[in-house]
Amino acid sequence: EAGVAQSPRYKIIEKRQSVAFWCNPISGHATLYWYQQILGQGPKLLIQFQNNGVVDDSQLPKDRFSAERLKGVDSTLKIQPAKLEDSAVYLCASSKGQILSYNEQFFGPGTRLTVL
Amino acid sequence: GESVGLHLPTLSVQEGDNSIINCAYSNSASDYFIWYKQESGKGPQFIIDIRSNMDKRQGQRVTVLLNKTVKHLSLQIAATQPGDSAVYFCAENIGGYQKVTFGTGTKLQVIP
Repeated sequence: EAGVAQSPRYKIIEKRQSVAFWCNPISGHATLYWYQQILGQGPKLLIQFQNNGVVDDSQLPKDRFSAERLKGVDSTLKIQPAKLEDSAVYLCASSKGQILSYNEQFFGPGTRLTVL
Repeated sequence: GESVGLHLPTLSVQEGDNSIINCAYSNSASDYFIWYKQESGKGPQFIIDIRSNMDKRQGQRVTVLLNKTVKHLSLQIAATQPGDSAVYFCAENIGGYQKVTFGTGTKLQVIP
């Protein structure tokens, strides 16, 4: 079974530029998550989708971050404009359903963003 | 790739010894807990979970202990192997749904 795919793997931009990350979840997984992992910390949930609807975006900085999952499969996360503190690894994860105690989350390899 | 383990607490263990990684969780309402393993350049990987109605759960070479009184979790790895070297995170959740909150990780270094 193919895992969660993310691209690009690495991205370097200057502050105030825009950047987008792409995620392709495991086939058949209805729930998709985007996490931000700052170096030395645990991942922090940014947004959770159930199919193409948003379940939780309470920790997404909506003034600069946006995410979409238009057809309920692939998802993109965008940052515009980027700040130095956005330097982190952006992880995508997916699961068959929302209830974590019955549905394991599978993580992609992440996109490492460096903002200069 | 750059390690996620910079500035994290580090546990160094001799190969073949048992490892114990500890975690204090924050929310007394949390009732579902997960341990993840994260190798350098990869996303976290599920190891084992436990619900709050249990105080111990065993997997293959791993055991998780839960002490709700002091809000403490531990992960025990038997006969630690070089492939166990990674950063380990505990995560807490309420009701098995909604968001998972990750704790501060611990870097496990296995000395051959």
